[in-house]
Amino acid sequence: AQTVTQSQPEMSVQEAETVTLSCTYDTSESNYYLFWYKQPPSRQMILVIRQEAYKQQNATENRFSVNFQKAAKSFSLKISDSQLGDTAMYFCAFMPYTGNQFYFGTGTSLTVIP
Amino acid sequence: DSGVTQTPKHLITATGQRVTLRCSPRSGDLSVYWYQQSLDQGLQFLIQYYNGEERAKGNILERFSAQQFPDLHSELNLSSLELGDSALYFCASSKNGVSEAFFGQGTRLTVV
Repeated sequence: AQTVTQSQPEMSVQEAETVTLSCTYDTSESNYYLFWYKQPPSRQMILVIRQEAYKQQNATENRFSVNFQKAAKSFSLKISDSQLGDTAMYFCAFMPYTGNQFYFGTGTSLTVIP
Repeated sequence: DSGVTQTPKHLITATGQRVTLRCSPRSGDLSVYWYQQSLDQGLQFLIQYYNGEERAKGNILERFSAQQFPDLHSELNLSSLELGDSALYFCASSKNGVSEAFFGQGTRLTVV
């Protein structure tokens, strides 16, 4: 069975600072995708970044980057230069290459403080 | 705009009733997922379709059913509604079922 754990239910960060959200997962699969989704107060689910497990290089999308540690089954999200619009719930998600479904963590609620 | 369209955006109905939620995936996407998000719970996987066929089933109640049509749009049918079915229902689509998925804005269902 696949599980995704986000151990930080809530976090806050000062505007313009950097914050890291943690995610660990458990799987016996060797090939898979990992994702971070953002859910702002509008409740829309927005893809932030994705990582393929076979790629050693950490994915980066503008101010968002990940630290992917495959052996440790860890996939943290770093947000640099935090902006007020980054205030949202962030979900870590896992999908094996066999597809079928996304496994989501319980989310981390991030508040950016002006 | 993710390109995934869900209708209606809001739905208020009474217990015992039946409703249909509709999802149009992004152009070219063959796979559709349905998720339920309650206020106090995370995202619960309901069901996945790929090119018209059911591919995976999660914690979907027997009162719920879904299908994907030849034009690839999908419908989620919820019957004998209970208060506890009140939630945000998301549809997501992906190109091949093994890649990132893009979510619609959700249908907020309120059962009174």
